[in-house]
Amino acid sequence: GAVVSQHPSWVICKSGTSVKIECRSLDFQATTMFWYRQFPKQSLMLMATSNEGSKATYEQGVEKDKFLINHASLTLSTLTVTSAHPEDSSFYICRTGETYEQYFGPGTRLTVT
Amino acid sequence: KQEVTQIPAALSVPEGENLVLNCSFTDSAIYNLQWFRQDPGKGLTSLLLIQSSQREQTSGRLNASLDKSSGRSTLYIAASQPGDSATYLCAVISGSARQLTFGSGTQLTVLP
Repeated sequence: GAVVSQHPSWVICKSGTSVKIECRSLDFQATTMFWYRQFPKQSLMLMATSNEGSKATYEQGVEKDKFLINHASLTLSTLTVTSAHPEDSSFYICRTGETYEQYFGPGTRLTVT
Repeated sequence: KQEVTQIPAALSVPEGENLVLNCSFTDSAIYNLQWFRQDPGKGLTSLLLIQSSQREQTSGRLNASLDKSSGRSTLYIAASQPGDSATYLCAVISGSARQLTFGSGTQLTVLP
């Protein structure tokens, strides 16, 4: 299967700063990228869906101006958490793939102090 | 809107026991159902994928079944081992957007 990497794997930042998370598809053309977040002891919740070269579609309740998604190429999608607050502390995972095969990144643990 | 529920939320068993994890979904019009394993603080490991036309899939000590009409799936783990301790998530792909919806997971602890 395809390999999807995420960078960084964990990050600690101060409240009010911005953090960029990169998701790279190493051997698969990621036409569509999904971004999820997972709070402790909860399941993965879809935040947004992005298609290469177009604007992302955000799920209800997810602020598009706070979580900026860029999907400029078939191998790279980025999620930027702007003006991060402690409540944004979570595990962020990207996903790509087709209907019958899913490829997940290993996740990024964000802690906002 | 698709909703996926997993029961139980947590399960603790002694090593060697066979166990069953349950998953149910509200919209039976799915493309496939997938079981994942997640270790603490880690990403997801795909265990089994069952396509909508299939009834079950097996991999080693794992067997997953799918009853699409009743909106249910079970993951059977035979001869459990401490290394099986993790959170198990089921997820379905459904809808015109091929959205992947996750259940809340079952946290499994296998005691040595």
